Amino acid sequence: EADIYQTPRYLVIGTGKKITLECSQTMGHDKMYWYQQDPGMELHLIHYSYGVNSTEKGDLSSESTVSRIRTEHFPLTLESARPSHTSQYLCASSAAPGASGRRSSYNEQFFGPGTRLTVL
Amino acid sequence: QQPVQSPQAVILREGEDAVINCSSSKALYSVHWYRQKHGEAPVFLMILLKGGEQKGHDKISASFNEKKQQSSLYLTASQLSYSGTYFCGTEISGSSNTGKLIFGQGTTLQVKP
Repeated sequence: EADIYQTPRYLVIGTGKKITLECSQTMGHDKMYWYQQDPGMELHLIHYSYGVNSTEKGDLSSESTVSRIRTEHFPLTLESARPSHTSQYLCASSAAPGASGRRSSYNEQFFGPGTRLTVL
Repeated sequence: QQPVQSPQAVILREGEDAVINCSSSKALYSVHWYRQKHGEAPVFLMILLKGGEQKGHDKISASFNEKKQQSSLYLTASQLSYSGTYFCGTEISGSSNTGKLIFGQGTTLQVKP
C-alpha cells in the first residue's frame, strides 16, 4: 500500500503559471526530499527537509521553493513555470532507525509515484 | 561527487547472473541500491553501511569495499522481473546523518526470456 502520496500525477500548464506540487506521507518520517528526474536519467536532489520548519536546497539548483509546516506535508511551488521546468518530480521520505515509520532500515527512502510536469 | 556506475546497460537471458558496480571519489558512510521500472518510482533494494554490514534481498546481494569506496550489486539467476534501471545512492561520510543521497547515473538491465 502507498504511504507517500503525490498530486497531481500529471500536469500540463502554460508558461508563467504558478503551480504547487503536493506531497504527503503518513509514516511519521522526519526527513523528506524532492528530486527532479528527466526520462532515463539520474535523480537530482533539489530540496530536502530534516523536520518541521527546516528546509534546505539540494545539489541541483532549482527555481522552486518548498515549505514544511507539518511533518507529513512537503509541497513544492514554482512561482512562474517555464518550459525548462518540464520534468518528473519525485518526493521521498525517510527516518533514522528506531524512529517511527514503516520498515525503517537506515535512512531508507520511500518514494511517491511522482508528478510528471509539462510546461508549454 | 556523483558516483559512477558501470556498466551503463546490461542485457541478460533469464537465469544468467549480473554485477553492477558503483564507485565514488568521496569517503562514504553508506550505499543504497534502488530499482526503478519504466514509468514507476524507485524502490529500495538494500543498504550497505560503513563497517561491513551486507544485506541481501532474495537473489540480490551487494558488497561494500570501504577502502576503495566501491559497491557492487549481484543479481543471481536473473528473472524477468529484475528488468529496470538500477541506481546506487551514496551518503557521504560526515554528512551528519542527513540522509542525503547522491545518485549514480543508473544501469539499465534488460532480462529476456
